[in-house]
Amino acid sequence: DSGVTQTPKHLITATGQRVTLRCSPRSGDLSVYWYQQSLDQGLQFLIHYYNGEERAKGNILERFSAQQFPDLHSELNLSSLELGDSALYFCASTRGGGTNEQFFGPGTRLTVL
Amino acid sequence: AQTVTQSQPEMSVQEAETVTLSCTYDTSESNYYLFWYKQPPSRQMILVIRQEAYKQQNATENRFSVNFQKAAKSFSLKISDSQLGDTAMYFCAFMKGNNNDMRFGAGTRLTVKP
Repeated sequence: DSGVTQTPKHLITATGQRVTLRCSPRSGDLSVYWYQQSLDQGLQFLIHYYNGEERAKGNILERFSAQQFPDLHSELNLSSLELGDSALYFCASTRGGGTNEQFFGPGTRLTVL
Repeated sequence: AQTVTQSQPEMSVQEAETVTLSCTYDTSESNYYLFWYKQPPSRQMILVIRQEAYKQQNATENRFSVNFQKAAKSFSLKISDSQLGDTAMYFCAFMKGNNNDMRFGAGTRLTVKP
């Protein structure tokens, strides 16, 4: 158990819908990263938050957005869902400030029908 | 941009034998970190080993060791005394500096045969 929690574990929805994925980092970790793992794209970095502020963006679509709240949990919002958004979405956390080991949550499996 | 290449989509090894997984990367950075992650069928991402680019000594974690060739931009993973529980996808990853995102290779599916 990495100490990072993600909810829900599975999500099945229809095209055009909007969903929210939640991540709680390890206690004391200030950085949260979101990654998408799809069959044809492998693991792709989406976005990084540090202590509530956006630090970096990767291959994140405009239909996707994220935020990190004062209690440091993070949410990834996916809207106008398409079939190709079906993937495993991981959240990872680190303490920040010079550390580099990222601890991954168990992931949320999103299926868009 | 940094790229990570794993040229072996699949590999297999007999239990108790040794196997080496290959990874090459491309970067112009001088300060970076390299990682190997294991993803078993449960899909959990588990850190196997990491290497700081400024360290010449190859990292070792029990049965897992790396061969880090900085000039050649190569970072291979050696698994000794392979166990059935080592069956998993293995991902090589690159991180620029500290506290940054990781860029992953496409992965190598390793099967350990009894």
